Amino acid sequence: QKEVEQNSGPLSVPEGAIASLNCTYSDRVSQSFFWYRQYSGKSPELIMSIYSNGDKEDGRFTAQLNKASQYVSLLIRDSQPSDSATYLCAVNGQDSSYKLIFGSGTRLLVRP
Amino acid sequence: NAGVTQTPKFRILKIGQSMTLQCTQDMNHNYMYWYRQDPGMGLKLIYYSVGAGITDKGEVPNGYNVSRSTTEDFPLRLELAAPSQTSVYFCASSRGGNYGYTFGSGTRLTVV
Repeated sequence: QKEVEQNSGPLSVPEGAIASLNCTYSDRVSQSFFWYRQYSGKSPELIMSIYSNGDKEDGRFTAQLNKASQYVSLLIRDSQPSDSATYLCAVNGQDSSYKLIFGSGTRLLVRP
Repeated sequence: NAGVTQTPKFRILKIGQSMTLQCTQDMNHNYMYWYRQDPGMGLKLIYYSVGAGITDKGEVPNGYNVSRSTTEDFPLRLELAAPSQTSVYFCASSRGGNYGYTFGSGTRLTVV
């Protein structure tokens, strides 16, 4: 059973701080990794994707991937109250259906 | 640019009733997926399709059925609704590869 694990939180950080969200996965052949943001009562929204070891930056967001440790993380710099949401990690294996396995999500609270 | 459209947004079913959740995308994506999300949980894959005429079971297919007669449409059929099918249902589409998903707005289903 392929699994994606996340700490459910809530992770509480003050406004302006760096929020660090972590995810581990069990399938060593996983190829693509995604972070989705989900506001309460809304659908998931893709915010970052990463495929190669190392860091990928997009604005205030940085995704980090370490395939040897089977570990993906998302850093949010200068956290804002509007970043308060649940963040879902998703992993895609070598399967040609490109179906994603999702973690259960980490709830982030940014305190004003 | 509608993206992925799901109908209805809300529905209450009685035990034993049947219904079809509609999903349509206008992005000419070959890959489409149905997930369910229970409170505090991640997304569980019900069924998926890699192209018109091709469907396959995901992690939790029991009690559901799908069809894919066109690239645009991927309806999900619930037969003999049970309280365990109370959930939020998300349809998603993808162009495949490393592009991730675009999600619909979801259908909140309650079975009483």
